[in-house]
Amino acid sequence: EAGVAQSPRYKIIEKRQSVAFWCNPISGHATLYWYQQILGQGPKLLIQFQNNGVVDDSQLPKDRFSAERLKGVDSTLKIQPAKLEDSAVYLCASTRTGGRWGQFFGPGTRLTVL
Amino acid sequence: GQQLNQSPQSMFIQEGEDVSMNCTSSSIFNTWLWYKQDPGEGPVLLIALYKAGELTSNGRLTAQFGITRKDSFLNISASIPSDVGIYFCAGRRETSGSRLTFGEGTQLTVNP
Repeated sequence: EAGVAQSPRYKIIEKRQSVAFWCNPISGHATLYWYQQILGQGPKLLIQFQNNGVVDDSQLPKDRFSAERLKGVDSTLKIQPAKLEDSAVYLCASTRTGGRWGQFFGPGTRLTVL
Repeated sequence: GQQLNQSPQSMFIQEGEDVSMNCTSSSIFNTWLWYKQDPGEGPVLLIALYKAGELTSNGRLTAQFGITRKDSFLNISASIPSDVGIYFCAGRRETSGSRLTFGEGTQLTVNP
């Protein structure tokens, strides 16, 4: 079974630029999550999708962050415009419907904002 | 937001030693998960706990769901160099759907 795929693995941009990350979850996993992990901290949930609908985006900074999962499979997370404090690893995770099982994480995208 | 207090923050041990780390919260959780994260990778699920008092093993790893439902423990026996990494606890509250709250992590270093 293929794992969660993310791209790119690394991205360096200047502040005020835009950036987008892509995630393809494990096949059959209806629930998809985007997390932000700042260096030295645990992951923090940004947004949760169930199929193509948003379940929880209460911790997403909506003035600059957006995410979509149009066909209920892969997803993109966008930051526009980026700030220095957005430097972090952005992790995508997926799980089977029901959420009982642990979430399975992708390798992450390391974003550096200069 | 809700926090999980994970301790210790870091551990330096010799190969072959046993390791214990724990996670506590002021709130009740109905699920506890333990993950390991290697540099440049995403967290990998080690053990999942779903019932108060539950004790579950995965090889040399053993984790327990605290009776109060406010804490969890992870033990690693006979540590080996590949145990090096950051260990995270994560909890799920009944009122928060499938959202996980993560601890700050325990950095484990194993000296050969």
